[in-house]
Amino acid sequence: GAVVSQHPSRVICKSGTSVKIECRSLDFQATTMFWYRQFPKKSLMLMATSNEGSKATYEQGVEKDKFLINHASLTLSTLTVTSAHPEDSSFYICSASGTTYEQYFGPGTRLTVT
Amino acid sequence: DAKTTQPTSMDCAEGRAANLPCNHSTISGNEYVYWYRQIHSQGPQYIIHGLKNNETNEMASLIITEDRKSSTLILPHATLRDTAVYYCIVSATTDSWGKLQFGAGTQVVVTP
Repeated sequence: GAVVSQHPSRVICKSGTSVKIECRSLDFQATTMFWYRQFPKKSLMLMATSNEGSKATYEQGVEKDKFLINHASLTLSTLTVTSAHPEDSSFYICSASGTTYEQYFGPGTRLTVT
Repeated sequence: DAKTTQPTSMDCAEGRAANLPCNHSTISGNEYVYWYRQIHSQGPQYIIHGLKNNETNEMASLIITEDRKSSTLILPHATLRDTAVYYCIVSATTDSWGKLQFGAGTQVVVTP
């Protein structure tokens, strides 16, 4: 089946710094990638949708200047959390879909901001 | 807002079939029913999806009622590794690139 990877799997950073999370589709070309965040014991919340080569579409309430998304190729999307604060600590998950619209999820990245 | 309603939790005995219900009474004609599951601290895993016909794959079966207002995911022989949160989602593949809106899901616990 389709495989999606994320890097890093865990990251701890200090308040005020920026963190970049990578999402890669390893064996298929992902025309669309999605970014979600998940707080403990809560469901996944869609943050944004990105199509290769175009600007991301953010869900209502998600700050586009804080969560920078780049989808420069058909196999790579990055999420940068800028000026991170403790309230940004969360589990960030990406997914990717190709021509069939089925979404394949990455293993997630645990971000802790101290 | 999630367009589906699922029980909060359910227990299932190992080796028995697990039947997970989902109500989606406002489903539109072009919306599919998707099932994903999430094992603790991992990314969601695709299970199955369907439009109106029943579907079966190596993981599960999906039974959709004739009026499409509800469906049931069947895990034929539950194992301990099937313990997870199961999400039922309706989505139109032609709408916003197939965005998935996750609800609360059903926490399934398989016991020995």
